[in-house]
Amino acid sequence: GAVVSQHPSWVICKSGTSVKIECRSLDFQATTMFWYRQFPKQSLMLMATSNEGSKATYEQGVEKDKFLINHASLTLSTLTVTSAHPEDSSFYICSAAEQGDWSPLHFGNGTRLTVT
Amino acid sequence: GQNIDQPTEMTATEGAIVQINCTYQTSGFNGLFWYQQHAGEAPTFLSYNVLDGLEEKGRFSSFLSRSKGYSYLLLKELQMKDSASYLCAVKDSNYQLIWGAGTKLIIKP
Repeated sequence: GAVVSQHPSWVICKSGTSVKIECRSLDFQATTMFWYRQFPKQSLMLMATSNEGSKATYEQGVEKDKFLINHASLTLSTLTVTSAHPEDSSFYICSAAEQGDWSPLHFGNGTRLTVT
Repeated sequence: GQNIDQPTEMTATEGAIVQINCTYQTSGFNGLFWYQQHAGEAPTFLSYNVLDGLEEKGRFSSFLSRSKGYSYLLLKELQMKDSASYLCAVKDSNYQLIWGAGTKLIIKP
């Protein structure tokens, strides 16, 4: 089945630094990947849609200059949290789907970010 | 607006059967998906329904009625490891996934 790999699984960083999270589709090509954020005991919140070879589409209220997304190839998308602050501490999850309108989303294992 | 409703929390007994309902109101319909999410982990895909009826996959089954905007996930022979949140999601006319808030299922011995 389709596998999405996300790295790192967890990261602790100091306030003001930047953190890069990688998302790879291992056995399929993904022209579109999705980045979600989830706070404790809350539902998934879509942050942005990452499109290979073009700019990402951000959801309302998500700062594109703070959450930089790069989708350089059909198997790799990266999310960089720039100038991180403690309120950015959250669980970040990427996902991708194989081609086809009925294909389900497959999720990476998520990255738990803690900003101190 | 678009809306997906599912119960916040349910409790069931090990070995029993539980049904988690999901109702939706979306602009168009292009499939309904169920995901399982254990605490602190990412969601994992369970099933999807495109046409009306029941889809069975081992201990898990999912039902869809498009005319009623309704689905349920049926879990049989419950095991302690089934304790998790179950997320219902619908693809709308633009193939965008709309997520429910999830149902936290608690399994008691």
